Amino acid sequence: DQQVKQNSPSLSVQEGRISILNCDYTNSMFDYFLWYKKYPAEGPTFLISISSIKDKNEDGRFTVFLNKSAKHLSLHIVPSQPGDSAVYFCAAGWAGTASKLTFGTGTRLQVTL
Amino acid sequence: GAVVSQHPSWVICKSGTSVKIECRSLDFQATTMFWYRQFPKQSLMLMATSNEGSKATYEQGVEKDKFLINHASLTLSTLTVTSAHPEDSSFYICSAVDLTANVLTFGAGSRLTVL
Repeated sequence: DQQVKQNSPSLSVQEGRISILNCDYTNSMFDYFLWYKKYPAEGPTFLISISSIKDKNEDGRFTVFLNKSAKHLSLHIVPSQPGDSAVYFCAAGWAGTASKLTFGTGTRLQVTL
Repeated sequence: GAVVSQHPSWVICKSGTSVKIECRSLDFQATTMFWYRQFPKQSLMLMATSNEGSKATYEQGVEKDKFLINHASLTLSTLTVTSAHPEDSSFYICSAVDLTANVLTFGAGSRLTVL
């Protein structure tokens, strides 16, 4: 049972445009959500997180939106840069504890020139 | 910031041998570490939660006798793949929690290839 889903395995966006990566979850008990960026043969790197008490969190070019009623979150990258090309994983867990995370299947973002 | 080191970064072994992967928190103490594995083009799947000074907690479907986890100190957890087979070939990643900073940091991963 995949509790965290990323339905788009890949996404291609032109440099300078907005990249929108989507993630859906089924477990309503999750209250903390994170986005990670991963290059091949490397571990994931934390990008941005959001707790369930918020619906938006912004950090530079990265913004995460959370829609609790729809159990949906999205990561917006604007403007997209070639260096953003990577696999992006969303993850869900429980805030405030050393909790295990449940990861989505990832979306491969390709930013083209 | 918090740094987690994994060693080796890649290893090739013969079928039937055992392989040990180390996960170290370099500048913080981690009472809890997590071990994940990732097959190509798939998600990171949690294998087990490693607790310092006690037994690891394994996820459903993960054989505890095959994937031995030892968390002997606050900065080191090891994963030993015993009697490795080709189907154990995967990318193994650990993560550790820096409780003082409330940050979860991942290691760079270890690629295991079993011939």
